[in-house]
Amino acid sequence: RKEVEQDPGPFNVPEGATVAFNCTYSNSASQSFFWYRQDCRKEPKLLMSVYSSGNEDGRFTAQLNRASQYISLLIRDSKLSDSATYLCVVVPDRGSTLGRLYFGRGTQLTVWP
Amino acid sequence: ETGVTQSPTHLIKTRGQQVTLRCSSQSGHNTVSWYQQALGQGPQFIFQYYREEENGRGNFPPRFSGLQFPNYSSELNVNALELDDSALYLCASSLQGLSYEQYFGPGTRLTVT
Repeated sequence: RKEVEQDPGPFNVPEGATVAFNCTYSNSASQSFFWYRQDCRKEPKLLMSVYSSGNEDGRFTAQLNRASQYISLLIRDSKLSDSATYLCVVVPDRGSTLGRLYFGRGTQLTVWP
Repeated sequence: ETGVTQSPTHLIKTRGQQVTLRCSSQSGHNTVSWYQQALGQGPQFIFQYYREEENGRGNFPPRFSGLQFPNYSSELNVNALELDDSALYLCASSLQGLSYEQYFGPGTRLTVT
């Protein structure tokens, strides 16, 4: 079983739509969670961290459900510039000196005018 | 920009050849991690270097090897190239102890024919 499972999509939505992505992780001891964004043929860039209490950054809201071992990302009022691949990332251990990031395969989002 | 640089940008090699990829870490960062990203997949951890030594390895064969230099820059070497080695190779720099905060370079796109 993969460490991180993610629906690859693609998601095609009109501007202004609300879209949600989910991913699940297999290691219940995992402590750190992130969403990265990757534009076509570019490097991944940190979008936001994910906390149990949930966190919001403008139009983006991230949630963590430890009991079900899933992470979500909600994008409201989608913009054309949101078109990208969104990668779910898990770090197995808090304060791990190794800091190995486990990536999902990514969910592709296209926002159309 | 993250301040992490990689060279070359693109590379074409034939099966059986050897390749060396290079990475310069962000100023002040002492840890470098390497990832392989195949088309349509998330990045997969290859290994991490700290204090010029390998500090953890993913599920990659020994023909994938690396080095870290006193200035924290790093090399990834791949011997006996196979067609499946075609991918985007990403390096990420971080501070040991905060290794989950990784900053990615633009990557090297390797094509093996």
